[in-house]
Amino acid sequence: KNQVEQSPQSLIILEGKNCTLQCNYTVSPFSNLRWYKQDTGRGPVSLTIMTFSENTKSNGRYTATLDADTKQSSLHITASQLSDSASYICVVSKWTDKLIFGTGTRLQVFP
Amino acid sequence: SQTIHQWPATLVQPVGSPLSLECTVEGTSNPNLYWYRQAAGRGLQLLFYSVGIGQISSEVPQNLSASRPQDRQFILSSKKLLLSDSGFYLCAWKGLGQNSNQPQHFGDGTRLSIL
Repeated sequence: KNQVEQSPQSLIILEGKNCTLQCNYTVSPFSNLRWYKQDTGRGPVSLTIMTFSENTKSNGRYTATLDADTKQSSLHITASQLSDSASYICVVSKWTDKLIFGTGTRLQVFP
Repeated sequence: SQTIHQWPATLVQPVGSPLSLECTVEGTSNPNLYWYRQAAGRGLQLLFYSVGIGQISSEVPQNLSASRPQDRQFILSSKKLLLSDSGFYLCAWKGLGQNSNQPQHFGDGTRLSIL
């Protein structure tokens, strides 16, 4: 069954701290993995996209990693800011371009 | 640059009433268009997608329908809303011919509450 599971479900950290969000998937055939950021009441915004051959990709303070062998990905946020408070959604794309969405990790950054 | 607009932003409707949500894309031609629903605590669920005017594919059987009367306009409709239709509805687009490694771009959604 094609599934994307994210952990933790929610996370609270202090401003300036780092954090790592996890994503495990069982989607096949795999095409790529994306991380989206979704602010409350807004649509998701793409942060990174990684294909099978890519192990890591950065976008500013966001760094995503992919282990296609173990079917795991992580999103690392460095020096968190209040504006990082959002839901982070892991999405895996099949060759057919069908997207399988995780349920997201809700991150809250406090001052 | 390309932009996507959804309206209304929020909507409260009684059970049994009709529905029409609109989505328009600017700055691109022949986009692939998508309607998703996001229920609380669940991942986004693809409802419909369209690769061209009048071409609609449905992913799940439901009380909703979609239409694409113009190249950059995508409409989500219902004749009679159910309580279970409540949710956050997102429209998305992707450039025609773009490979699967290009992201879909989402609108800001419509929060639909059925009373």
